[in-house]
Amino acid sequence: DTEVTQTPKHLVMGMTNKKSLKCEQHMGHRAMYWYKQKAKKPPELMFVYSYEKLSINESVPSRFSPECPNSSLLNLHLHALQPEDSALYLCASSQHYSSYNEQFFGPGTRLTVL
Amino acid sequence: DAKTTQPNSMESNEEEPVHLPCNHSTISGTDYIHWYRQLPSQGPEYVIHGLTSNVNNRMASLAIAEDRKSSTLILHRATLRDAAVYYCILMKGGGSNYKLTFGKGTLLTVNP
Repeated sequence: DTEVTQTPKHLVMGMTNKKSLKCEQHMGHRAMYWYKQKAKKPPELMFVYSYEKLSINESVPSRFSPECPNSSLLNLHLHALQPEDSALYLCASSQHYSSYNEQFFGPGTRLTVL
Repeated sequence: DAKTTQPNSMESNEEEPVHLPCNHSTISGTDYIHWYRQLPSQGPEYVIHGLTSNVNNRMASLAIAEDRKSSTLILHRATLRDAAVYYCILMKGGGSNYKLTFGKGTLLTVNP
């Protein structure tokens, strides 16, 4: 299984809602990532988890809260988002957190904040 | 962070080779050169990476200049499915800050 799965595919939420994005991989990878991609822009790194511990937070607002409950699963909890947070949220994983391991990306969750 | 420079767009014909250039004149000795591509409406996909020597895999070849200040991704026979944005990215070796920092990339159009 060389796949990273993300659910849901699409999500529409209001600014007062709380929702979660889910990402799963069964490749035995120990590093997992969240990226944000606005329309017609390149992906931007948000968070990195290595061995279930948060290694990098790219100064992301606290309304985004990541969680890595085990080595296969990565969540992104959303609360009080703004319309400008509407974007494609991509999850990725790699064997280890290093400069030479390739990252495998999921198809993304397209988020719309009303 | 070391930066890369790529052409905004390139065009190719189906079944012809494609050479996608990338300049990275400020590369340091331990930086890896990674290439990813993103097809329309999909997440990015790993293509290839290398450090000093040329690399080949089933998708492409990576030719790295001797001084490492530039590299070229080679698709040997372009297909319509290769139409995508191609990103050339440097990842720092050593230390603990390994980030894929995507630039604007090169939009490759493949003509039938």
